[in-house]
Amino acid sequence: KQEVTQIPAALSVPEGENLVLNCSFTDSAIYNLQWFRQDPGKGLTSLLLIQSSQREQTSGRLNASLDKSSGRSTLYIAASQPGDSATYLCAVSPGAAGNKLTFGGGTRVLVKP
Amino acid sequence: DTEVTQTPKHLVMGMTNKKSLKCEQHMGHRAMYWYKQKAKKPPELMFVYSYEKLSINESVPSRFSPECPNSSLLNLHLHALQPEDSALYLCASSRNLGQSEKLFFGSGTQLSVL
Repeated sequence: KQEVTQIPAALSVPEGENLVLNCSFTDSAIYNLQWFRQDPGKGLTSLLLIQSSQREQTSGRLNASLDKSSGRSTLYIAASQPGDSATYLCAVSPGAAGNKLTFGGGTRVLVKP
Repeated sequence: DTEVTQTPKHLVMGMTNKKSLKCEQHMGHRAMYWYKQKAKKPPELMFVYSYEKLSINESVPSRFSPECPNSSLLNLHLHALQPEDSALYLCASSRNLGQSEKLFFGSGTQLSVL
């Protein structure tokens, strides 16, 4: 059974500092990995999707890397802003048919002005 | 329009009530999902519809009954719920069930069962 772990569970940084969020998964037979952002009591917003054949994806200040063989992904957020405060979740899609995502527990980020 | 709209935003119901959650998208997506999220936990998949047919049921109790009346709408009918069913219920959609497809989530319905 796939297990997805995110460490740390919570992170507090001053504004302007770079953020590094980690995600690990136990079964490397994944099809893709997605990073989501969730604000309190709200739905999820997809940030980046990395196919299993890719090593990284970039969007603006966000960069996500994937090392499938070691079961790890890292989300980098450059020059953090207070508006980046949210919970960040990673999710993996299995190699089998269907889009059944397995989520990690999330990292709660606070960027202090 | 890249939104998934869920109503109501909040719902309080007793254990004997019958209520429904609604989800709507106009992106032409043919796959729609229900997720359940307890406080400070990750979302858990409940149901998946593909082309208006139930594709996946993650062994969800029968007191939750999904319905997909057309390609834009997804309902979740609730009956005889328990207090432990209190959670944020999230609807999502994707173009199809292909594994490279991004999921678009609604803002959720916060459900409290008394």
